[in-house]
Amino acid sequence: QSALTQPRSVSGSPGQSVAISCTGTNSDVGAYDYVSWYQQHPGKAPKLVIYDVYKRPSGVPDRFSGSKSGNTASLTVSGLQAEDEADYYCCSYPSGFGGGTKLTVL
Amino acid sequence: EVQLVESGGGLVQPGGSLRLSCVASGFTFRSSWMTWIRQAPGKGLELVANINEDGSQRYHLGSLKGRFTISRDNARNSLYLEMSSLAVEDTAVYYCTTDSGYSTFNYWGHGTLVTVSS
Repeated sequence: QSALTQPRSVSGSPGQSVAISCTGTNSDVGAYDYVSWYQQHPGKAPKLVIYDVYKRPSGVPDRFSGSKSGNTASLTVSGLQAEDEADYYCCSYPSGFGGGTKLTVL
Repeated sequence: EVQLVESGGGLVQPGGSLRLSCVASGFTFRSSWMTWIRQAPGKGLELVANINEDGSQRYHLGSLKGRFTISRDNARNSLYLEMSSLAVEDTAVYYCTTDSGYSTFNYWGHGTLVTVSS
């Protein structure tokens, strides 16, 4: 049982935008601006794509954006590309990781 | 370029022990919190343990019940995870990561696979 709740899967066509939600509580997501997101391709290590709710590490395309409202954080991927197909995990201080969401590019 | 290289994984019988290592380069290791995160086959990510810059503060996942111990050697730019009384459910890829605090894991190693099976 993961600390945070994510949809198991989302999908979108190339060029479209998709959003992945991450629902916590008022003790984690709702209490702190410390939500991070990780992208993981099959057989590879996860990669940080968003931290502190909306900040992007150097080298991450600006197609990736993060936001938060109440106890729910979201990762939005705009202008979907084939290489965006991966698993995405959210993480919130102090609770840990969500269960992961598989993003499929149709 | 930041590099984290894990080693020490392998096949071990239930009840056995294993020591994982992670050698770091490309950043000031002695100034960085470090974390071990694991991923069971087909499952999600789970924070196992983390340690502060000088090793004086350590956190371990409560459900491990003292079986795992994180440590570091700043002179060798190395992070370790001592694992004992291993169980089948400890089977996972174990990743070494940098930890900039508040659940932000900036850099990840390639991982080392630990398989617990008889």
